[in-house]
Amino acid sequence: EIVLTQSPGTLSLSPGERATLSCRASQSVRSSYLAWYQQKPGQAPRLLIYGASSRAIGIPDRFSGSGSGTDFTLTISRLEPEDFAVYYCQQSGTSPHTFGQGTKLEIK
Amino acid sequence: QVQMVQSGAEVKKPGASVKVSCKVSGYTLTGLSMHWVRQAPGKGLEWMGGFDPEEGETIYAQKFQGRLSMTEDTSTDTAYMELSSLRSEDTAVYYCARYYDVLSGSRFDPWGQGTLVSVSS
Repeated sequence: EIVLTQSPGTLSLSPGERATLSCRASQSVRSSYLAWYQQKPGQAPRLLIYGASSRAIGIPDRFSGSGSGTDFTLTISRLEPEDFAVYYCQQSGTSPHTFGQGTKLEIK
Repeated sequence: QVQMVQSGAEVKKPGASVKVSCKVSGYTLTGLSMHWVRQAPGKGLEWMGGFDPEEGETIYAQKFQGRLSMTEDTSTDTAYMELSSLRSEDTAVYYCARYYDVLSGSRFDPWGQGTLVSVSS
């Protein structure tokens, strides 16, 4: 099983700042099988990024994904108030599908 | 576009079974790969299983083997997840999600709204 480790566990930033979230895999993940999701309290996860770097429909261009192999990054260029949430990375390249434990992005 | 609506919250006793439904609209279920993910209170996301288009069969996470069943009723475009021998640790929100696997990248999108299953004596 591929273990995804996200860091930091909690990130405290202010609106307007840049956020960098990390996802490290225990084994290499094919880039086309790495996705990022945003989840707000009481809501289902929402797809942000797939194929490591492609934005889903309707996702603002302040969200970007990068990386390959075992190291992937989600960057939010300039935080808006609605961006404070929990973010998960997920891989589907090797069964079982696995998720990272999440990074909570909170307002400083 | 594809949308999924799940059944309502359930309260079950330990040892019982629960069956959660996920009705698809905007597409036919036969053309989709439906998966299930759960989230215990205050915890992260856990993949349970789903239809693997490459294998042509439903696959289950090892920890649920023997007590998890995923079925489909194509006449009503409804997917079902049934978990048996419930224990308190199964208390969670259960989500259905379409698994979309194409060259551009695989992903779970969209997701149902979630169904809370509470297990308590």
